[in-house]
Amino acid sequence: EPEVTQTPSHQVTQMGQEVILRCVPISNHLYFYWYRQILGQKVEFLVSFYNNEISEKSEIFDDQFSVERPDGSNFTLKIRSTKLEDSAMYFCASSEVRSTTVNYGYTFGSGTRLTVV
Amino acid sequence: AQKITQTQPGMFVQEKEAVTLDCTYDTSDPSYGLFWYKQPSSGEMIFLIYQGSYDQQNATEGRYSLNFQKARKSANLVISASQLGDSAMYFCAMRGENNDMRFGAGTRLTVKP
Repeated sequence: EPEVTQTPSHQVTQMGQEVILRCVPISNHLYFYWYRQILGQKVEFLVSFYNNEISEKSEIFDDQFSVERPDGSNFTLKIRSTKLEDSAMYFCASSEVRSTTVNYGYTFGSGTRLTVV
Repeated sequence: AQKITQTQPGMFVQEKEAVTLDCTYDTSDPSYGLFWYKQPSSGEMIFLIYQGSYDQQNATEGRYSLNFQKARKSANLVISASQLGDSAMYFCAMRGENNDMRFGAGTRLTVKP
């Protein structure tokens, strides 16, 4: 079964450093997403991406964050200058189509646990 | 704006019994999709079940069923014959017409032997 692959599974970084979280979505999927889950808390939407541009972003997704699809297969989330409160599990997801009436749910990656020290 | 509410932070159930996890939602979209995901302690998000807003029948997937009451805007997950491996966080989520998937706060289910 096709999978969404995220690397690394765990990253530790110093406050103020830049991090890039990588995702390889399912190959025929067109919509890509990043979510964040602070330990033990709810899953929060960050950003959605379609046709090489951001289609929607949340208030969490400020100027410190950026996304890119550099080569047609990878989908990256960059945090420019990490803060302690960026420590969380980051999930990438992809979807074949954007539909509410048919079960085109998301396929989630297994997440990257980011620890900012 | 969409809102997903899960009012049960934690639930306990005896092995082999059924349990209902509550989810209510609020949206003005005429069409939407409702989802349940399971998150075990290992952290991955596992899709369980989907209900479309126009579906006439409640969705079922094996031991999972979704009690969809559109007028009350509720989409409760029913797990029958609970197993120890069902112990996990469960998230209700919704996709609206113009928005992407949003999640509730989750319910931690513990199955007791």
